[in-house]
Amino acid sequence: SQQGEEDPQALSIQEGENATMNCSYKTSINNLQWYRQNSGRGLVHLILIRSNEREKHSGRLRVTLDTSKKSSSLLITASRAADTASYFCATETSGSRLTFGEGTQLTVNP
Amino acid sequence: DAGITQSPRHKVTETGTPVTLRCHQTENHRYMYWYRQDPGHGLRLIHYSYGVKDTDKGEVSDGYSVSRSKTEDFLLTLESATSSQTSVYFCAISERDRAHEQYFGPGTRLTVT
Repeated sequence: SQQGEEDPQALSIQEGENATMNCSYKTSINNLQWYRQNSGRGLVHLILIRSNEREKHSGRLRVTLDTSKKSSSLLITASRAADTASYFCATETSGSRLTFGEGTQLTVNP
Repeated sequence: DAGITQSPRHKVTETGTPVTLRCHQTENHRYMYWYRQDPGHGLRLIHYSYGVKDTDKGEVSDGYSVSRSKTEDFLLTLESATSSQTSVYFCAISERDRAHEQYFGPGTRLTVT
């Protein structure tokens, strides 16, 4: 079974709007990562947030982590057409393995 | 994708034939991984390596074997391909430990007919 589950499965917005994706997980984690995958390509690492951190920023990306709710969110501000991709959360649990969710498909319309 | 190549990029094979996929890195990273990606399942770990000749099983290892004789190469072998192994296979590497950020190759699309 998947450790991380993204929500929503698909999201369509207009260029310039903000996009928010959520990830829920089941067991305690050491860190949580977000990846992007453009169609037909491999995954690209975006950001890592550790279990003792609550928020992290990287450019137009903002990630929050709420370990009490076992959830994380990825916010992309001022979205661009080039942000169109699938976004995956990945959790690292005991045993140091990454477990990926099924992803959120984001479409940014120009 | 820089520093990681996968070959072949596409392959069509018949049920029962052996298949070997190759992952090659130029980053000298210690950890290497093989994942498969299927609709409805996300990415699932098949096998990983934490050094030359050091490998371990992942979540979906049945029907797959791996070998790592050099730091830069990690081979995934399907001894007798089945239709259920039709998938996109991704190799990834990681520098420090298994749960650090991973860098992915471009993928291999395998179709077993």
